[in-house]
Amino acid sequence: EAQVTQNPRYLITVTGKKLTVTCSQNMNHEYMSWYRQDPGLGLRQIYYSMNVEVTDKGDVPEGYKVSRKEKRNFPLILESPSPNQTSLYFCASSSSTGTVNQPQHFGDGTRLSIL
Amino acid sequence: AQKITQTQPGMFVQEKEAVTLDCTYDTSDPSYGLFWYKQPSSGEMIFLIYQGSYDQQNATEGRYSLNFQKARKSANLVISASQLGDSAMYFCAMREGPGNQFYFGTGTSLTVIP
Repeated sequence: EAQVTQNPRYLITVTGKKLTVTCSQNMNHEYMSWYRQDPGLGLRQIYYSMNVEVTDKGDVPEGYKVSRKEKRNFPLILESPSPNQTSLYFCASSSSTGTVNQPQHFGDGTRLSIL
Repeated sequence: AQKITQTQPGMFVQEKEAVTLDCTYDTSDPSYGLFWYKQPSSGEMIFLIYQGSYDQQNATEGRYSLNFQKARKSANLVISASQLGDSAMYFCAMREGPGNQFYFGTGTSLTVIP
């Protein structure tokens, strides 16, 4: 089954404790991205990657890191989480074969609470 | 400037009626794609419909249609014969640019009233 898998689904942690949210897709997609969703603000892109070893900042990259060492994986790293990073996070992937007609496929989301 | 604007934070519609959710976009790129996603209360993001900038006809998928007015830069979602299960948040999105980057609006919360 084609899917984007995020882990964990829920996490409560404390300020400053490094954490990683994993994301994996099995569709051989080139394009992967991370979003955070906050009430009234919609989905805001944190980072995106057009292919292996290629990553770019989105609209709200501060406080986050990503890596794309393999095509299927795109982990999101919070080196020193703070309470303002409490949010619902989505990973998404898409084919990006030079066209704009491919939709993104989303993971089920990760709800992060930073105390 | 916002790439995608959804001006209706919340909408109500009677069951079996049609409803239009507004979306305007901003781009100078001649090639772009427009998407609508549904997010029910369970949280997952469900792709509904796509419209390409070069498409001559409005896209339709079952009860969903996209009213594409290129000159006005609008891409409104029309849901016909609303059902209780249509109650959800709806997001408009655009894909454009050399990086084929995606941009999302702030969403419209739709409530279907029995």
